[in-house]
Amino acid sequence: GQQLNQSPQSMFIQEGEDVSMNCTSSSIFNTWLWYKQDPGEGPVLLIALYKAGELTSNGRLTAQFGITRKDSFLNISASIPSDVGIYFCAGHERFGGSQGNLIFGKGTKLSVKP
Amino acid sequence: NAGVTQTPKFRVLKTGQSMTLLCAQDMNHEYMYWYRQDPGMGLRLIHYSVGEGTTAKGEVPDGYNVSRLKKQNFLLGLESAAPSQTSVYFCASRPTGNYGYTFGSGTRLTVV
Repeated sequence: GQQLNQSPQSMFIQEGEDVSMNCTSSSIFNTWLWYKQDPGEGPVLLIALYKAGELTSNGRLTAQFGITRKDSFLNISASIPSDVGIYFCAGHERFGGSQGNLIFGKGTKLSVKP
Repeated sequence: NAGVTQTPKFRVLKTGQSMTLLCAQDMNHEYMYWYRQDPGMGLRLIHYSVGEGTTAKGEVPDGYNVSRLKKQNFLLGLESAAPSQTSVYFCASRPTGNYGYTFGSGTRLTVV
């Protein structure tokens, strides 16, 4: 089935650094979402995007719906220790593929630099 | 507001045993989903339901069955557990017209 390419797979952060991650697809999406998963918990919705070009912020998080409708970006500014976790992108295909269900990326794991 | 509640949180099964995982949501959502999460594999859809009394297969349905007899509950069954079914299982739900899934906190299942 359709796959989302999410990168990077993992990254280390130092407090105060800015972080960027992205997702790309081979087909057009009409919805992009970003989730965060803390250890031992389920994913929690951070940001939802519904229009091409849309830029939405949630505190220190900013996400963008790519104008091609095939990608999305998530930026975290001035990272803090509680930002560690796994971030997932997810999207809904415009033309009803994947049985109308969300497609998830494999996640970007954020860890603190040793 | 409880949201999505999964029970049990942890379980160890022997190969060949059966069990049922329960998912309950109190948000009156139409759609419900069961995912499994394995290291490096992300979230993979097992089965889903678009409303009470309906179920459909997802990406990895083999070895699992589901039922949605009541709108608020979605049950995932393993008839004969296998070690390959060792995983963390997540239930999710959403309302019609909104793709913001709400997830439960997961069930960690180990099959030995």
